Amino acid sequence: EAGVAQSPRYKIIEKRQSVAFWCNPISGHATLYWYQQILGQGPKLLIQFQNNGVVDDSQLPKDRFSAERLKGVDSTLKIQPAKLEDSAVYLCASSPLRGSGSYEQYFGPGTRLTVT
Amino acid sequence: SQQGEEDPQALSIQEGENATMNCSYKTSINNLQWYRQNSGRGLVHLILIRSNEREKHSGRLRVTLDTSKKSSSLLITASRAADTASYFCATPTYQGAQKLVFGQGTRLTINP
Repeated sequence: EAGVAQSPRYKIIEKRQSVAFWCNPISGHATLYWYQQILGQGPKLLIQFQNNGVVDDSQLPKDRFSAERLKGVDSTLKIQPAKLEDSAVYLCASSPLRGSGSYEQYFGPGTRLTVT
Repeated sequence: SQQGEEDPQALSIQEGENATMNCSYKTSINNLQWYRQNSGRGLVHLILIRSNEREKHSGRLRVTLDTSKKSSSLLITASRAADTASYFCATPTYQGAQKLVFGQGTRLTINP
């Protein structure tokens, strides 16, 4: 079973530039998550999709961050414009449909973003 | 806001010794999960313990859950250099939720 794929693995941009991250979840997983992990901290959920609908985006800074999951499979997370404090690892995770009895999340390798 | 808090923040032991890390949480849960993160990598799910379980084993891992104290512990026995990683506990935001809240983690270093 292929894991969660993310690209790029690393990105360096200047502040005020824009950047986009891509995620392909495990085949058949209905739920997709984007997390932000600042160095030395645990992951913080930015947005949760179930199929192509948003379940929770309460912690997404909507003035600069956006995310979409077209056709309920791949997802992209965009930051525009980036700030220095956006430097972090952006993790994508997926899990089976809620109610399936499976609560585990499966993570991709992450994208390390550095904003200079 | 962080629900789970790990203790200690960092732990350094000799290879072959046992490592214990603890997690405390705030609200009622139906499960608690432990994840491992190697440097520069994504998180890997280690074990899930349900609220009606008190102890669970998986290989060299032993997890306990005390819902009355809202705490859990992860024990790694006979540690190896490959166990060097950060370990996070995660709890759902409410019972039955898929959304997880992670603690800040315990950084474990195994010295040869």
